[in-house]
Amino acid sequence: TQLLEQSPQFLSIQEGENLTVYCNSSSVFSSLQWYRQEPGEGPVLLVTVVTGGEVKKLKRLTFQFGDARKDSSLHITAAQPGDTGLYLCAGAGGGGADGLTFGKGTHLIIQP
Amino acid sequence: EAGVAQSPRYKIIEKRQSVAFWCNPISGHATLYWYQQILGQGPKLLIQFQNNGVVDDSQLPKDRFSAERLKGVDSTLKIQPAKLEDSAVYLCASSLRGTSGSNEQYFGPGTRLTVT
Repeated sequence: TQLLEQSPQFLSIQEGENLTVYCNSSSVFSSLQWYRQEPGEGPVLLVTVVTGGEVKKLKRLTFQFGDARKDSSLHITAAQPGDTGLYLCAGAGGGGADGLTFGKGTHLIIQP
Repeated sequence: EAGVAQSPRYKIIEKRQSVAFWCNPISGHATLYWYQQILGQGPKLLIQFQNNGVVDDSQLPKDRFSAERLKGVDSTLKIQPAKLEDSAVYLCASSLRGTSGSNEQYFGPGTRLTVT
């Protein structure tokens, strides 16, 4: 069974600070995705990383896929209250049965 | 482009009753997924359809859960009979396989089920 461990589980910081969220597994994934979920809504895809060592940037968010494709990180620079939400990493095993394996998520609160 | 539609948004039932959820995926998306998200956890895959065929239902509790996608578009997920531990948000997602080989899924708003 593939498992994804996310850390920290909860994080509350002040506006303007930087933060990093981690997603680790003992399994190799063909791709890894990051989602953001707000209360009462479904997860919204932020980014997909496919290649080991890949780095993608989305405005103030920087996503990195580990060289061995077992781990990933999300770094937010100068966090804003609008970044508040549940951040989920999800791995896909590849092949036809490619339902995602999700971590438990990181609850992020950015205080003004 | 319209997103994934789900109904109802909320449902409250008593244990041992039956309930059904409906999902309409993004137009043209051949792959459809149902996930269960228990409070405080990430979504857990229940079943994956490719068109009207089941690709993966290994985590579906088949003694009480069933799902179908008869015409390869809409899908329904049923629970009969419901247990207290089935209280969760049921998320539907759809995917259009891209040439990059990645699997990007688009989620609906979910149905929040409360079993009392």
